[in-house]
Amino acid sequence: DTAVSQTPKYLVTQMGNDKSIKCEQNLGHDTMYWYKQDSKKFLKIMFSYNNKELIINETVPNRFSPKSPDKAHLNLHINSLELGDSAVYFCASSQSQGDTIYFGEGSWLTVV
Amino acid sequence: SQQGEEDPQALSIQEGENATMNCSYKTSINNLQWYRQNSGRGLVHLILIRSNEREKHSGRLRVTLDTSKKSSSLLITASRAADTASYFCATEAGGTSYGKLTFGQGTILTVHP
Repeated sequence: DTAVSQTPKYLVTQMGNDKSIKCEQNLGHDTMYWYKQDSKKFLKIMFSYNNKELIINETVPNRFSPKSPDKAHLNLHINSLELGDSAVYFCASSQSQGDTIYFGEGSWLTVV
Repeated sequence: SQQGEEDPQALSIQEGENATMNCSYKTSINNLQWYRQNSGRGLVHLILIRSNEREKHSGRLRVTLDTSKKSSSLLITASRAADTASYFCATEAGGTSYGKLTFGQGTILTVHP
């Protein structure tokens, strides 16, 4: 059973499109995250939510909007996609802040 | 800004040898976590070590933490070809950064059979 699952795994789309990446965790965790890994493999946090409330919002363009319908889900919606948005997006979760953070398998986004 | 700096950037060893990767960071931390990433795959959590701990073990893995030097090391003993992957350290600082992991650039480990 996958603990943190995200879909789709691969996404190729044209510039200007709007796309969503879904994430679900079945660990019963209260905190969920989105991280971005660039082409040089550098990982950086984008958002974190605790019990559906936004806790961390790094300097991310407002074209990126996370949505947490319940504490087991944290979806990422991206408007007006740009070439520079091409990256791997990782969803993650933890029981609470300060605990082990478990990552999903990643979603490879390519904007053409 | 990038918190962790990992050393070496790449490491190539023979199966059966030990592999040591180092991580340095700049600010005080709440905990430090090590992850493995196989090519084209997600991040697998290896060990979490808290700021009041000095050493932790898990199977063939040994992690040390020296908060006075702001550094950590990951030792993999008796390496196997399957250990070939990128290894990342990530720090979680306290205060407003609580819950936010800041990653190093990673060490690419290649274990030759």
